Amino acid sequence: EVQLEQSGAEVKKPGESLKIACKGSGYSFPYYWIGWVRQMPGEGLEWIGIIYPDDSDTRYSPSFQGQVTLSADKSTSTTYLQWSSLKASDTAMYFCARGRELAAISAFDFWGQGTKVTVSS
Amino acid sequence: DIQMTQSPSSLSASVGDRVTITCQASQDTSNFLNWYQQKPGKAPKLLIYDSSNLETGVPSRFSGSGSGTNFILAISSLQPEDIATYYCQQYDHVLRFGGGTKVEIK
Repeated sequence: EVQLEQSGAEVKKPGESLKIACKGSGYSFPYYWIGWVRQMPGEGLEWIGIIYPDDSDTRYSPSFQGQVTLSADKSTSTTYLQWSSLKASDTAMYFCARGRELAAISAFDFWGQGTKVTVSS
Repeated sequence: DIQMTQSPSSLSASVGDRVTITCQASQDTSNFLNWYQQKPGKAPKLLIYDSSNLETGVPSRFSGSGSGTNFILAISSLQPEDIATYYCQQYDHVLRFGGGTKVEIK
């Protein structure tokens, strides 16, 4: 059974760093793209970027380029989304999702449960 | 970048009604257009991929059509469990979601 398990909720202060995780299981982890999505409170879905774990090929949405970093660890079947200096505007739910097709970017068929990030002084 | 415009932003319909949601791309996206359903407090769920292909396990009352710049998601007979927000999504160089359509029961 394909599963994406995300790390737990975080409460941070502005300026702090953070790394959240998404662990895949039940499939050949290195060969499926993983995407990350932001959903701010009461708002729609926004793509942050996508990463191919086998070679860490990464593509960022222009709005998020330079603001976050995606990474992947094949040995633990985990991808990460990290911030070096959080802002209050980073408060949101963050989802990871798996690409539907082997080695191709297309639809995203399996989703993590989401990680809630709260940034407040 | 391609922009995705969904309409309407919200709609209210009766159980059993046929419902349609449109998604317009600012440039040709071929048939690379997917539809997702999101219920409150839940992760999105893939309904339709590549414009018209029904994802496994999705009820047949959902259907998708279109190509190029104009796409439609249809629900043939609205059910209470279809109350959700629906998003279109495309890929060219970067992925992009539409703004969402909130579907409610009248």
